Formats: sequence, C-alpha cells, structure tokens
Amino acid sequence: AQKVTQAQTEISVVEKEDVTLDCVYETRDTTYYLFWYKQPPSGELVFLIRRNSFDEQNEISGRYSWNFQKSTSSFNFTITASQVVDSAVYFCALSDYNNNDMRFGAGTRLTVKP
Amino acid sequence: GAVVSQHPSWVICKSGTSVKIECRSLDFQATTMFWYRQFPKQSLMLMATSNEGSKATYEQGVEKDKFLINHASLTLSTLTVTSAHPEDSSFYICSARDSSSGIFGTQYFGPGTRLLVL
Repeated sequence: AQKVTQAQTEISVVEKEDVTLDCVYETRDTTYYLFWYKQPPSGELVFLIRRNSFDEQNEISGRYSWNFQKSTSSFNFTITASQVVDSAVYFCALSDYNNNDMRFGAGTRLTVKP
Repeated sequence: GAVVSQHPSWVICKSGTSVKIECRSLDFQATTMFWYRQFPKQSLMLMATSNEGSKATYEQGVEKDKFLINHASLTLSTLTVTSAHPEDSSFYICSARDSSSGIFGTQYFGPGTRLLVL
C-alpha cells in the first residue's frame, strides 16, 4: 500500500528564515511519482513539482528546493528566505507510475510571520 | 494551458437534496478524471476514478449510489451527491489527466467546490 507521512503538522517561522518541510513515503512500486502541492486559503491546489522515482537529482527553483533521497524514502522541500506569501498548507503526494492512485500526506501548515 | 474548472465553486443546499458538481478540462482532453474530498483541516482523499465512457471506480468506503459520477465526454466529468446530508459537507476537488501524455500525464487539479448541507 502507498503511504505518505508528513510528520510536521504546523510550522511557524519568521520572514526570511529558511524552512524545510519533511515528507516520507512508503511504496512497494519500483517506479512512482512524487509531488508537492501548495494549498493557500482559497483552497486551490498549486502544483510545485513532480519527480519520478528514477530521478534522484535535487532540484532548485528560485527560493524552492527539493531533496529526494530514495535510500531513506524521503522527498523534503525547503523554502529559502521565506516570505509571508508562502503561508499555506503544503501537501506531499505519491502516485503509481500510471499516475493513478495518488495519495496525499496529511499536509503541513506553514505560517510565515512578518 | 492545462486548466481545469469546477462549477459551482460554492453550493449551499438543504438536507435531502441532490447536488451536481461539474469538472471540465478547458484546453486539453482528459480520458481520466479523479474526484477527491477534503474535510476541514484534513488531507485530500481520493473518492473515485472516472474514465470517459465507462463506469467509475470507487475507493473503498465510498458509496457509489450516493456519489454518482458521469464522465460522458473527454472534457467533462460530473459528480452528483444524491440526498445530501450535513456529513457530506466538504470541499470536493477534481483533477484531470491530459490524455495526450498517455498514462504518464500529470493530473491537473480544479479549484474545488465547497459544499455545505444544512
């Protein structure tokens, strides 16, 4: 069975601090996709990244970076120099390689204070 | 590109009535669409997978007779909550997979529909 664990329920930081959101996953599949989504108060999911299981390269996009470690089944997300606009709930998700059966973690609520 | 819309965005209804939610892929075709439900401060839970022209596949614990899904075209799937009750109040989100990318296509999510049953 597929499972995603986001152990951090809530995180609060002060603007300009760096923050890392943890994601640990379980799957028996050898090929799969991992995702991060942002959900602001409006509710609409904002796609941040998709990573397939064969690509363990870390990725950086502006202030966002992702660390995929297959050995520890983790796909952590770091926001550098956080801003108030980063305040949202962030979901890590896992799907099989057919892109079906997408499982979401419980989410981490990030609050960035000015 | 890759926009998914949902209508309505908000709906309030009386207990016992039925509510239809539409999910449309605006600039791509979607053989497969997915319906999720999110209760307040909880995660998204997959309810069902909808394939164009065939019956939907429901997740364990989701009543197929209560949550009717129709995927009649490559750009439209509908979810009808029949005889809605207050416990059905939730945020319903659909996603659509771009058919042109085959089974490896990314799911694109709609903006969600908030349902409140009084």
